[in-house]
Amino acid sequence: DTAVSQTPKYLVTQMGNDKSIKCEQNLGHDTMYWYKQDSKKFLKIMFSYNNKELIINETVPNRFSPKSPDKAHLNLHINSLELGDSAVYFCASTQWGSLPFFGQGTRLTVV
Amino acid sequence: GESVGLHLPTLSVQEGDNSIINCAYSNSASDYFIWYKQESGKGPQFIIDIRSNMDKRQGQRVTVLLNKTVKHLSLQIAATQPGDSAVYFCAENMEGQNFVFGPGTRLSVLP
Repeated sequence: DTAVSQTPKYLVTQMGNDKSIKCEQNLGHDTMYWYKQDSKKFLKIMFSYNNKELIINETVPNRFSPKSPDKAHLNLHINSLELGDSAVYFCASTQWGSLPFFGQGTRLTVV
Repeated sequence: GESVGLHLPTLSVQEGDNSIINCAYSNSASDYFIWYKQESGKGPQFIIDIRSNMDKRQGQRVTVLLNKTVKHLSLQIAATQPGDSAVYFCAENMEGQNFVFGPGTRLSVLP
């Protein structure tokens, strides 16, 4: 059973489009995250959700919006995609204060 | 955006040798540290953790050392195998805060 699953694994899209990445966790965790990993493998936290409330919003463009329909899901919606948005996006979940479990990543390529 | 100015350190070791991967953390108040392994095309996976009240912890073939005086963490892998080839991240955490990840080190195991 996959603990943290993301879809799609690969996403290729044109500049200006709007896209969503979905994430689901079956670990019963209360906190979910989105991370961005650039080409140099640097992992940067974008958002975290705790009990359906946004508790951290790092300085990311407001074109990025996390949406959490319930505690087990945290989707990432991106408007007006730009070339610089190309990266691997990871979803993760945790019981607050414990170690994060990561999904397999979504490689987004904007052309 | 990109992690401008940062690069991904690379460590190359011969199969069967021991590997030591180093990490300098930033917050002297951090009290929980984790090492993650990220294989190509996958998300980061937990390897071993250590709390600040310890200076050494051993797992299967891995040992983590913590030096709080100089804010340094290391991961030692005994008898390195081809399957150990990956990018390794350290992450630090202070209670109530999110984990902060280091820049990562790529380990290449030579046959």
